[in-house]
Amino acid sequence: SQQGEEDPQALSIQEGENATMNCSYKTSINNLQWYRQNSGRGLVHLILIRSNEREKHSGRLRVTLDTSKKSSSLLITASRAADTASYFCASNAGGTSYGKLTFGQGTILTVHP
Amino acid sequence: GAVVSQHPSWVICKSGTSVKIECRSLDFQATTMFWYRQFPKQSLMLMATSNEGSKATYEQGVEKDKFLINHASLTLSTLTVTSAHPEDSSFYICSAPAPYSNQPQHFGDGTRLSIL
Repeated sequence: SQQGEEDPQALSIQEGENATMNCSYKTSINNLQWYRQNSGRGLVHLILIRSNEREKHSGRLRVTLDTSKKSSSLLITASRAADTASYFCASNAGGTSYGKLTFGQGTILTVHP
Repeated sequence: GAVVSQHPSWVICKSGTSVKIECRSLDFQATTMFWYRQFPKQSLMLMATSNEGSKATYEQGVEKDKFLINHASLTLSTLTVTSAHPEDSSFYICSAPAPYSNQPQHFGDGTRLSIL
């Protein structure tokens, strides 16, 4: 399959709780990116983490990367109802595949007010 | 503001119609653009790589005669879905690589195609 794995496929939490999503990919990467997609809309870029980085923060978002396990996680702290969306990881192999992204299957996050 | 403009955002048409989707890079040149397809409740799948001045590269299982790609200039790539049928109904989205390595890609807002 072209795509990586992502779990959970769906996550339902209460406002204020933390949400953790995991992603695995198949090939060596140059970087890994996380995107959010609201229903029926385009992609919103969240964070890019390089292959030589292990952790990155942006506001309430924390991304980790373990290249030995070919996995990444996205943590959203103190979630809000507005965080309800689908979240995708996307790996970028770089090199001759520069710019080409392989997306994970995605996690549907629902945050209840 | 948007650095990649995709048009139209929404198309409804009859079976058998051909539909053209445009993807423009604004304020930068893109020798390569990518076209993805997303079926409902699924992830994005790469369909093809559009190369300025040369033939597009299609992913396995994507019919090149069905999905015509033209990258005639450094700022415009088009995807034409020929003789569209209901099974072609999907969300199509284009992207252009960032000018520098380790920057996020620039995505269009997507086109929702509904074939009746």
